[in-house]
Amino acid sequence: DTAVSQTPKYLVTQMGNDKSIKCEQNLGHDTMYWYKQDSKKFLKIMFSYNNKELIINETVPNRFSPKSPDKAHLNLHINSLELGDSAVYFCASSRRETTDTQYFGPGTRLTVL
Amino acid sequence: KNEVEQSPQNLTAQEGEFITINCSYSVGISALHWLQQHPGGGIVSLFMLSSGKKKHGRLIATINIQEKHSSLHITASHPRDSAVYICAVEETSGSRLTFGEGTQLTVNP
Repeated sequence: DTAVSQTPKYLVTQMGNDKSIKCEQNLGHDTMYWYKQDSKKFLKIMFSYNNKELIINETVPNRFSPKSPDKAHLNLHINSLELGDSAVYFCASSRRETTDTQYFGPGTRLTVL
Repeated sequence: KNEVEQSPQNLTAQEGEFITINCSYSVGISALHWLQQHPGGGIVSLFMLSSGKKKHGRLIATINIQEKHSSLHITASHPRDSAVYICAVEETSGSRLTFGEGTQLTVNP
C-alpha cells in the first residue's frame, strides 16, 4: 500500500486553465504539506495543514488554493495557470506538526504550455 | 543568501569511497532533516536530528548545534547511493522546513 499518493503523476495543460492535484495519506498522520520543486530542483514549502486547519500559508499567489476535506486528504487547486507554475509538486505528511519525519508522495510534474 | 547552505553542490566518487556532505544554516532550529531524492524523483527522509549523531546502515548524520552545522556521511559508497541529498531545517519559530539546494552525488563502479 502506498503511504502518500498523489494524482495525477503528470499534468500537461494550457495557460489559463484551472487544474487540481490530489493527495491522500493512509498513515493516520495529522499534518499534511504541499511543496513546490522548481526547475533547479529547489524545494519550497507552500502550505501545511494540521487536522484540516491551515497552519502554514507561504507567499504563494492566491491562484493556489489548498483544500483539506479530511485529515487524510489535502488537495491543491490552481486557477488561471501560468507558465511559471510549471514545476514538480510534492505532497507530504507527518504524525504531528513539528519535529517529526515527513513522508513524501511521488510528486506531480505540472507542465504549463 | 539561502538560510541553508550545502556543500559540495556536486560530488563524484568511486565505489567504496567514504563520502561527506555538509550543511550549514543561519537560523535557530528545532530539528534538521536529511532527505534523499532518487533519480526517478521520489523523496525519502533519511534522518531527523536535533543533537548528536544518528546511524542507519552505511549512513551517519551528525549535527553541531553551536556551530550550526551538520554532516551526512556515507561509508563504503555504492552506485545505488547516487542521488540528490537535501538538507532541510525546521526553524524554532515555526514548523516549516527550509531546504538547501541539494548535493548531487554520483558513485561510479
